[in-house]
Amino acid sequence: DIVMTQTPLSLSVTPGQPASLSCKSSQSLLHSDGKTYLYWYLQKPGLSPQLLIYDVSNRFSGVPDRFSGSGSGTDFTLKISRVEAEDVGVYYCMQSIQLPLTFGGGTKVEIK
Amino acid sequence: QVQLVESGGGVVQPGTSLRLSCAASGFSFSSYGIHWVRQAPGKGLEWVAIIWYDGNNKYYADSVKGRFTISRDNSKNTLYLQINSLRAEDTAVYYCARDRSSAWRYGMDVWGQGTTVIVSS
Repeated sequence: DIVMTQTPLSLSVTPGQPASLSCKSSQSLLHSDGKTYLYWYLQKPGLSPQLLIYDVSNRFSGVPDRFSGSGSGTDFTLKISRVEAEDVGVYYCMQSIQLPLTFGGGTKVEIK
Repeated sequence: QVQLVESGGGVVQPGTSLRLSCAASGFSFSSYGIHWVRQAPGKGLEWVAIIWYDGNNKYYADSVKGRFTISRDNSKNTLYLQINSLRAEDTAVYYCARDRSSAWRYGMDVWGQGTTVIVSS
């Protein structure tokens, strides 16, 4: 199984400041079809997860442009350019290059 | 609107069985793969199973293989998860989630609100 490792475990950010979340996979997520199957989800407190980013860097419908994803191979980053209060929650990365799908352990983002 | 609504959770004794349901609305259910994902109390997300759009392909996490069965009834726009021989470690919120494709690879874009399963004697 592919192991997804997220750092840091938690992050406390002042509103308006940037945040950077890391996700590393134990194997390359680059498929022979040229796509890289890495996703980012946000689970706000008490709610279900929601898709933020697909294929490393594509924002899902309705996701604010302050969220951006980057990376390749085994190293990936989610950046929030200016954190807002509504961004609190746990961020998960997930790979879907192979089954079983696996998630990272999550990064909890809090507001200072 | 596009929606998934889970039901069937509850408090059950170890060794018993339970069937979870996930009712879909607002989209062409028979066109999408659907996943089950669970979350133990205070823990992260764990993928459980996937069923392709037509029900002909199913895959499971090793932790549930042989005890869980995923199925769907496209005529009823409903997904199921049959859970047998329940264990304490199956205690979790169970989410159904739509894949962006007819199979399993393109990420989950619609999630239900979850149904809670508690396994306790």
